[in-house]
Amino acid sequence: GENVEQHPSTLSVQEGDSAVIKCTYSDSASNYFPWYKQELGKGPQLIIDIRSNVGEKKDQRIAVTLNKTAKHFSLHITETQPEDSAVYFCADETGANNLFFGTGTRLTVIP
Amino acid sequence: NAGVTQTPKFQVLKTGQSMTLQCAQDMNHNSMYWYRQDPGMGLRLIYYSASEGTTDKGEVPNGYNVSRLNKREFSLRLESAAPSQTSVYFCATRAPLEQYFGPGTRLTVT
Repeated sequence: GENVEQHPSTLSVQEGDSAVIKCTYSDSASNYFPWYKQELGKGPQLIIDIRSNVGEKKDQRIAVTLNKTAKHFSLHITETQPEDSAVYFCADETGANNLFFGTGTRLTVIP
Repeated sequence: NAGVTQTPKFQVLKTGQSMTLQCAQDMNHNSMYWYRQDPGMGLRLIYYSASEGTTDKGEVPNGYNVSRLNKREFSLRLESAAPSQTSVYFCATRAPLEQYFGPGTRLTVT
């Protein structure tokens, strides 16, 4: 089955610094790569996504990059703020339209 | 709009007991999903329903059954709970470009 690996599992940054989370996937048929943010006690919420025909996508302070040749994609958060503290999950979608999730990264932004 | 709702929020079961987790959506989406979330393992798909009247197994279906009662409701049943089923369970629906998750049910099996 599909395997999505996510690193690091925990990440601490100073407020205002950048944070980068990386994921790799195994299924070359994967064509959709969303990132979810999960706050304590809540369900995951989509924050940004990218499709396989695009290399980079930005939305204000967050961006996602995709390298299909290397089968990896990354989340970049710039000018981090305390409210960015949460668990972040990457995922990919194969031809069956089901999502496979990474194991999550707990991001802590230190004021 | 409530989005995706789940009941109960918390549940403690003894080994061997049964229970049903309820999920309802008011977003008029065809697809609905049940995931479990365990520490260090991300979210894993248990069952999904692409449309009313259809259900399919996901990555970890053993020990569970589901019912797609109508377009709005998708329930998950544990017939004989085991400690390995201690987890947080999330229901989700799918729009063309996004999955929407419910708030989760925290289940403990002792």
